[in-house]
Formats: sequence, C-alpha cells, structure tokens
Amino acid sequence: DAGVIQSPRHEVTEMGQEVTLRCKPISGHDYLFWYRQTMMRGLELLIYFNNNVPIDDSGMPEDRFSAKMPNASFSTLKIQPSEPRDSAVYFCASSPPGSPLFYEQFFGPGTRLTVL
Amino acid sequence: AQSVTQPDIHITVSEGASLELRCNYSYGATPYLFWYVQSPGQGLQLLLKYFSGDTLVQGIKGFEAEFKRSQSSFNLRKPSVHWSDAAEYFCAVGAGGATNKLIFGTGTLLAVQP
Repeated sequence: DAGVIQSPRHEVTEMGQEVTLRCKPISGHDYLFWYRQTMMRGLELLIYFNNNVPIDDSGMPEDRFSAKMPNASFSTLKIQPSEPRDSAVYFCASSPPGSPLFYEQFFGPGTRLTVL
Repeated sequence: AQSVTQPDIHITVSEGASLELRCNYSYGATPYLFWYVQSPGQGLQLLLKYFSGDTLVQGIKGFEAEFKRSQSSFNLRKPSVHWSDAAEYFCAVGAGGATNKLIFGTGTLLAVQP
C-alpha cells in the first residue's frame, strides 16, 4: 500500500498567486481530511469529505480557500489568492469506512507551503 | 464539548530511561483514543489506538498506553527510550456524535539525551 500521497512536497510562491495542493487517499478509504499545521495554531482541521462529498468545512479559514474531491482517488485544496499568513504545512489524511474505524486517520507526508 | 489536554509541552529524557507522556480527555461516552507520532518533517503516524476491551493497548515501536476511565486519561509509555524516539507526540479522541472528527491535543515534544 502506497499510503496517502501528497504533491507537491514543497511549494514556494509569491503573494497573490494561486496555489493548488493535491492528495491521493488510500484505496478503499472513503473519508478524506485536510489539515493545516503551524507553530502558532498547531494542527487544524480545515475540511473533510465522505464519499467525495464535503461534510464539514467549518475549519476553512476564508473564501480564499476551496477544496474539491472529484472522485474517490483525488482531492485538491486551492488557495486563491495566497497570502504570507497561509504559510504552513498542509496535511491530507484518509480513513476507512465504518465506525469506529473512520476515526483511524492515515496521514500523508504533507506539503510545506511558503508564501513570500 | 470533547477536548484533549496534553499538559507537558516539552519533555527531555535520557536514552534508555522510561517514558510516560500524559493525556487527559473530556468526553461523555466511551471514547475512541489515539496516539500519533510526528518525526521532524514527516506526517503523523499512528502509534496505537483504543476502541474497547483491554485497557492496556500495545502499539508499534514498543509503545503502550493505558486507558483509565476514572482518571479520564490515556497515558503513553515506553520502558526504554531510544534516540530515534525523539519526535512530537499527539493524543487524540474521536469526537463522536454526528461527526467523524478527531480532536487533537497540542502535542508533547520529546527530546532524548545521549
């Protein structure tokens, strides 16, 4: 099993540019989570999907952030326009169906985003 | 509301010494509890989990944790720490109800002295 795959691993961009982060969950997992980690705020849940449908996006900081899951094997997190305060490590995680297994989240290696 | 407290922000232990990392949770029903480890520059890796049954659970890398309902605790232990255990450790509880969220603690950063 390849685990959760995220790309790119590192992204450096300038303020105002669009950033797209990508995630491929583990095959067979039907929950997908996007997190952001910073020194100041720790690990924050941004949004999660079940069967490709967004369930809870209450953690999305503002309208500049959007997430999609067009199919069971791919999700994107987009920031447009990006700002320096968006600099963070963004993690994608997936979990299998069924209770309580869906709490057992498997994390990707993360994307380190730097906005200059 | 559910919450997780990790009272120790930083801990330093000597290699070969025993380790205990504290975790307290607030949850009305039987919780689903997890410990994750994050090595520098890496994602979070699941160490162990408690769903039900035996309150002493074994995990990977020689770690174990004990669920104590009376104390609302789920402390992580290891009898002999290795230098490679230096990392940040996160306790988490399944939020329950209609949500599938995990509630994470703020983490404990473990340093290992030679």
